[in-house]
Amino acid sequence: GEDVEQSLFLSVREGDSSVINCTYTDSSSTYLYWYKQEPGAGLQLLTYIFSNMDMKQDQRLTVLLNKKDKHLSLRIADTQTGDSAIYFCAERGSGGYNKLIFGAGTRLAVHP
Amino acid sequence: KAGVTQTPRYLIKTRGQQVTLSCSPISGHRSVSWYQQTPGQGLQFLFEYFSETQRNKGNFPGRFSGRQFSNSRSEMNVSTLELGDSALYLCASRSQETQYFGPGTRLLVL
Repeated sequence: GEDVEQSLFLSVREGDSSVINCTYTDSSSTYLYWYKQEPGAGLQLLTYIFSNMDMKQDQRLTVLLNKKDKHLSLRIADTQTGDSAIYFCAERGSGGYNKLIFGAGTRLAVHP
Repeated sequence: KAGVTQTPRYLIKTRGQQVTLSCSPISGHRSVSWYQQTPGQGLQFLFEYFSETQRNKGNFPGRFSGRQFSNSRSEMNVSTLELGDSALYLCASRSQETQYFGPGTRLLVL
């Protein structure tokens, strides 16, 4: 079956790095995504990675993929208060081109 | 390019009523998907439309339906509303491998 799991909460100090982890079960997933949701808003696509890649870097964001362990992580360097939000990991399920399976979301709290 | 737009942004209905939500995808995008977000169930896939055809459907009752028009705009309809239908309904339009989400319509059923 398809399932995505994330830890629910992460607290970091401003300026530190944040690492949000995610595990998924569908070994046929071809793309994995990270979305950000701020209060009262929709989902903002942060980055995504193709399953044949191990790492992808985009400015302060680094995505690591361990396909063997079905583990995905998002590292945010120099975390700022504006990064406080809920972060969702998602896999593109095998059921169709557009169907995304989301984790429950990790609430990131950045404190001074 | 303008992003995904959804109307209305907020809606209050009573049990038993029906509701229609609208989504305009990013210009040039032909694929639209709908998701329901609730505190209890999280984000769940409703259905996907491409070129006016439903390509995929999630595990929701038949009260949830949708359609897509020739200009790629999409609507979803929920009939005989229940309290549990209160949620944020998100629409997404696709470009290649990425989906871009709109701000959502927050539906409250009383």
